[in-house]
Amino acid sequence: DADVTQTPRNRITKTGKRIMLECSQTKGHDRMYWYRQDPGLGLRLIYYSFDVKDINKGEISDGYSVSRQAQAKFSLSLESAIPNQTALYFCATSDGDRVTYGYTFGSGTRLTVV
Amino acid sequence: DQQVKQNSPSLSVQEGRISILNCDYTNSMFDYFLWYKKYPAEGPTFLISISSIKDKNEDGRFTVFLNKSAKHLSLHIVPSQPGDSAVYFCAASGAFTDKLIFGTGTRLQVFP
Repeated sequence: DADVTQTPRNRITKTGKRIMLECSQTKGHDRMYWYRQDPGLGLRLIYYSFDVKDINKGEISDGYSVSRQAQAKFSLSLESAIPNQTALYFCATSDGDRVTYGYTFGSGTRLTVV
Repeated sequence: DQQVKQNSPSLSVQEGRISILNCDYTNSMFDYFLWYKKYPAEGPTFLISISSIKDKNEDGRFTVFLNKSAKHLSLHIVPSQPGDSAVYFCAASGAFTDKLIFGTGTRLQVFP
């Protein structure tokens, strides 16, 4: 099994619908992140969580919400999907070690809003 | 405002030659830099990193150079191989932040 699992892998949804993207990890890391990737814009941080009770907004949090159900689970919701939220979404985890500071990413969810 | 920039969206290199990917940053408080590689349909994977107290770090065919005065880092791949074809992201972090700031990515294509 992958260290970081994202579901679904692909999703097409209609404008105005609520949708949830799920992420689970087996790394045992406290820190989890949601990024979106758009062509020419790289990876941009949506939300991040350093433990179950600590959730923070990233640079592009408008239109999104998150839930940290457990150390291993971090879900991203689009309350009312709009076409410009069409993107590739990645979940990542880290142990926060400043020396290694490596993130482990999931394989991504490709979301299309029509 | 993009704090980490990769000004070349794509790069094409012949197999066996050197690939040089560049990254510029604006925030002088960044003190740790990383490179990630991403294949299609996969998440980014960590490749190599460098602390701001160093100006070079090597790992096999991959070397990262850091020029703090110019706020510039580069990734050298020698020799380039077709399996290196991927999108490469540079990222930066600082003691003032607990998260990584990513660049826009450079798509590298290595042809035979």
